[in-house]
Amino acid sequence: EPEVTQTPSHQVTQMGQEVILRCVPISNHLYFYWYRQILGQKVEFLVSFYNNEISEKSEIFDDQFSVERPDGSNFTLKIRSTKLEDSAMYFCASTATSGKQYFGPGTRLTVL
Amino acid sequence: QQQVKQSPQSLIVQKGGISIINCAYENTAFDYFPWYQQFPGKGPALLIAIRPDVSEKKEGRFTISFNKSAKQFSLHIMDSQPGDSATYFCAASDGSGNTGKLIFGQGTTLQVKP
Repeated sequence: EPEVTQTPSHQVTQMGQEVILRCVPISNHLYFYWYRQILGQKVEFLVSFYNNEISEKSEIFDDQFSVERPDGSNFTLKIRSTKLEDSAMYFCASTATSGKQYFGPGTRLTVL
Repeated sequence: QQQVKQSPQSLIVQKGGISIINCAYENTAFDYFPWYQQFPGKGPALLIAIRPDVSEKKEGRFTISFNKSAKQFSLHIMDSQPGDSATYFCAASDGSGNTGKLIFGQGTTLQVKP
């Protein structure tokens, strides 16, 4: 069964550094999402992406965040200058048109 | 209005018992209500979902009951098994349904005792 993949599985970075989290959505899906989950808390929406542009973003998704689909298969989340509070699991999700969002295994981001 | 409230926070059930998790929402524009199962260190996996035009949906041991007038929906796990031990999240999608962001509940940690 096709699945969403994410790399790396764990990223450790120093505060103020830039990180790029990568996702490969399911190949025939058209809508892409990033969510985050701070340890022990609920999953929170960050951004949705369709037709090569952001369709919606949350208040968490400030100017430090950006997304890109550079080559038709990868979907990336960049955090320009990481803060301690950015430490979380970041999940990529994708969907075709059925409404079913499929989540990747996540990237654990640790900001020191 | 964008919140989805989930209860209980944790639940312990004996093997073979019924697990029931409840969610409530305020936004009447929500039109898609999935339940996700998450094991430690893994991403959420879609378990079952319902739309407001039906009051119940069953898939195997998992049933969603939906009460549109009360703006509540619940997950029932029949014949609960130790392998069902996980965190369960309800969610709701606003407006566009098929493509909209998911608003998640706080999660319920289920432990099924052998």
